[in-house]
Amino acid sequence: SAVISQKPSRDICQRGTSLTIQCQVDSQVTMMFWYRQQPGQSLTLIATANQGSEATYESGFVIDKFPISRPNLTFSTLTVSNMSPEDSSIYLCSVSRTDTQYFGPGTRLTVL
Amino acid sequence: GENVEQHPSTLSVQEGDSAVIKCTYSDSASNYFPWYKQELGKRPQLIIDIRSNVGEKKDQRIAVTLNKTAKHFSLHITETQPEDSAVYFCAATTIGSGGSNYKLTFGKGTLLTVNP
Repeated sequence: SAVISQKPSRDICQRGTSLTIQCQVDSQVTMMFWYRQQPGQSLTLIATANQGSEATYESGFVIDKFPISRPNLTFSTLTVSNMSPEDSSIYLCSVSRTDTQYFGPGTRLTVL
Repeated sequence: GENVEQHPSTLSVQEGDSAVIKCTYSDSASNYFPWYKQELGKRPQLIIDIRSNVGEKKDQRIAVTLNKTAKHFSLHITETQPEDSAVYFCAATTIGSGGSNYKLTFGKGTLLTVNP
């Protein structure tokens, strides 16, 4: 398995501000993923983050809104920029290890 | 891209009964199909998975079946218990050499309620 932590676990933010979410893994992984889970909904992939290269964004998600950093093989950040109430969601990072994806505990974001 | 449909959206059973959740996928290149259980306020946890070279896999009270021709796979839970109550998500992706992306496409989820 994989031990994954995220910070913060939850936050309440004002519209127009930005929040950076951190994801830390217990050992090196090549691929890290960021998902969004809107209230009562399924998980939607935002982007794939590989170390040493630009993140790959899914349709509907852009770098200006969700910039991602991947400075090393155990860490990544996702920033939610210029937030609006529609960004209120749970944001989860995940890692792939031996073909299985493991999820972090999530960051519950509320935008007022 | 891949599209995964999941049914039913809600399922209520009596303790001890069986529960079946069904998913279909669209991309014939998909070859790995995990199932996740998500309890309220918690992260999704992998409960079982199946690869395209296998038709069925069992783990105690949980089983998954795969029909590659029809592009559908199902989760079967026998002798359900109240602690099985959760949201269950199916997913599909492509893994292995040549074209792997590991990007999971999830179904919309099934809220399973097991009544004591």
